[in-house]
Amino acid sequence: GQQLNQSPQSMFIQEGEDVSMNCTSSSIFNTWLWYKQDPGEGPVLLIALYKAGELTSNGRLTAQFGITRKDSFLNISASIPSDVGIYFCAGPPSGTARQLTFGSGTQLTVLP
Amino acid sequence: NAGVTQTPKFRVLKTGQSMTLLCAQDMNHEYMYWYRQDPGMGLRLIHYSVGEGTTAKGEVPDGYNVSRLKKQNFLLGLESAAPSQTSVYFCASSGRDSLRYEQYFGPGTRLTVT
Repeated sequence: GQQLNQSPQSMFIQEGEDVSMNCTSSSIFNTWLWYKQDPGEGPVLLIALYKAGELTSNGRLTAQFGITRKDSFLNISASIPSDVGIYFCAGPPSGTARQLTFGSGTQLTVLP
Repeated sequence: NAGVTQTPKFRVLKTGQSMTLLCAQDMNHEYMYWYRQDPGMGLRLIHYSVGEGTTAKGEVPDGYNVSRLKKQNFLLGLESAAPSQTSVYFCASSGRDSLRYEQYFGPGTRLTVT
């Protein structure tokens, strides 16, 4: 199936720093979704991207849909302790009936 | 509006036992999904449903069965549990809009098979 490669796998940052993570695919995706999972909880949708080149913000989070349609980026500005969690990218593989493929996640730790 | 709920939250089974996980959504969504999450492997689709009375296999369906008798409920069954099915199970749902793919997740069920 179509794989999503997410990097980095984990990050340790100081509170107040900016964070950047990305997701790439060998094939084209027409939608990119970014989720956050808090420890012991289900994933929560952060941002949805539907158009190549689109840049969308949600508070301190900004995500971009790559022009090639094969990548997406998520940036978090001025990190705070509650940003801790796992961030997943996801997209619908072609030829599937409303399914999503998920990246393996980026584990973010924010140090005080 | 509770969104997506799952019961139970935790369960321990012995090898060979059976159980059913219940997922309920109150958003009138057409599509429902069952995933499993294992460390370092992200979310993998087990089974899904595109509407009441329909089910289909996902990426890792072996050892599981599902039923969608009512639009708001999606049940996941383990007929004979195996240690390899130790995992966290998530249910999700999605609306009818063909242009949007957002899925909304429940809080998960942590299953341990000994």
